[in-house]
Amino acid sequence: GDSVTQMEGPVTLSEEAFLTINCTYTATGYPSLFWYVQYPGEGLQLLLKATKADDKGSNKGFEATYRKETTSFHLEKGSVQVSDSAVYFCALSYNAGGTSYGKLTFGQGTILTVHP
Amino acid sequence: NAGVTQTPKFQVLKTGQSMTLQCAQDMNHNSMYWYRQDPGMGLRLIYYSASEGTTDKGEVPNGYNVSRLNKREFSLRLESAAPSQTSVYFCASSQRDRTFRSTDTQYFGPGTRLTVL
Repeated sequence: GDSVTQMEGPVTLSEEAFLTINCTYTATGYPSLFWYVQYPGEGLQLLLKATKADDKGSNKGFEATYRKETTSFHLEKGSVQVSDSAVYFCALSYNAGGTSYGKLTFGQGTILTVHP
Repeated sequence: NAGVTQTPKFQVLKTGQSMTLQCAQDMNHNSMYWYRQDPGMGLRLIYYSASEGTTDKGEVPNGYNVSRLNKREFSLRLESAAPSQTSVYFCASSQRDRTFRSTDTQYFGPGTRLTVL
């Protein structure tokens, strides 16, 4: 079945450091890939997404590129801020048709803490 | 525009008790979902409703039932709560792209933290 694997956390960084959170997936078809972020005490919100191979999703300084050859969707940010402290989830979903349409499969989440 | 709302925010039950978690969205979305979040396991889909009048099982449906009351509301019921159902429950909704060319973005509620003693 489909699955998403994220790097083990927690990740602790100093402000302005470079961030990478690794995400790899296994899928039977051609999914869309997502990064969701969960701030303390809140629900998840979409950070960025990519719907096909070689697409780059970007938002709020975060980027991730859909790499079909390595089945990866790593999240990066050049300079993190204290306000980026949150839990980050990688996920996949399918586009058109089939019984899997619209359902998200999540990774286990990576806790990021950024210190001043 | 409230988005996705959930009630209650917190609940403590005793084993065997029943309760219903409520979810409503005001974005006129077709699809709605219930997830549970457990430490180290991400979110797992319990049930979903692709459109009003339909519901389907997700990854972990045992011990739960759902009702899509109308287009806005999707409730989750625990008939006989067990300690294994202690978790944070999230409701989400999305608008199905009529062309099916893009994947829906799901919008999440703030969650219900449930403890079963």
